Amino acid sequence: KNEVEQSPQNLTAQEGEFITINCSYSVGISALHWLQQHPGGGIVSLFMLSSGKKKHGRLIATINIQEKHSSLHITASHPRDSAVYICAVRSASGGSNYKLTFGKGTLLTVNP
Amino acid sequence: GAVVSQHPSWVICKSGTSVKIECRSLDFQATTMFWYRQFPKQSLMLMATSNEGSKATYEQGVEKDKFLINHASLTLSTLTVTSAHPEDSSFYICSASAPGVSEQYFGPGTRLTVT
Repeated sequence: KNEVEQSPQNLTAQEGEFITINCSYSVGISALHWLQQHPGGGIVSLFMLSSGKKKHGRLIATINIQEKHSSLHITASHPRDSAVYICAVRSASGGSNYKLTFGKGTLLTVNP
Repeated sequence: GAVVSQHPSWVICKSGTSVKIECRSLDFQATTMFWYRQFPKQSLMLMATSNEGSKATYEQGVEKDKFLINHASLTLSTLTVTSAHPEDSSFYICSASAPGVSEQYFGPGTRLTVT
């Protein structure tokens, strides 16, 4: 069983819809990352959080440490949001090397 | 800020040859760099962690003699795939972090195809 589980694996939405992607993990963590990977492969870091909630533009990320769960929300989705969204966690025992464990990603397709 | 580049962005090589991939931090000093491999429709898998000036730490199952990593300066790490085989064809991504900063900054990746 992967230490980091994402759902759904695939998500298709219409432009304007509110999107939620979920991430559950099984280990104690010191931080959780949400990453975006576009076709072609380049990765962009969207958020790094260890508690609470962060917002950047139309993106919102929340984390519940007790429940070992995080969500990424996209408001007013747009076709340019189409990408793979990846959840990654840094173990609480990771020391100073900040090694990440990745989920398999959620493929989001937003249709116009 | 915090830009990481990789070169080349894609490379095709013949089986048995070696390929070098560069990862550079353009506007910060990266004491730690990470090398990942991603097969189609799979998640990123950490291959190794390199700290400037010391030997890389390889993950279990990754052959250190086949995937040579050098992190000779605070802005450059290289991954050399030696005696490449078609099964080494993959997307290789590096990331870098600055001292005391837990954020990782990812490079754009290098697609390697071995024929």
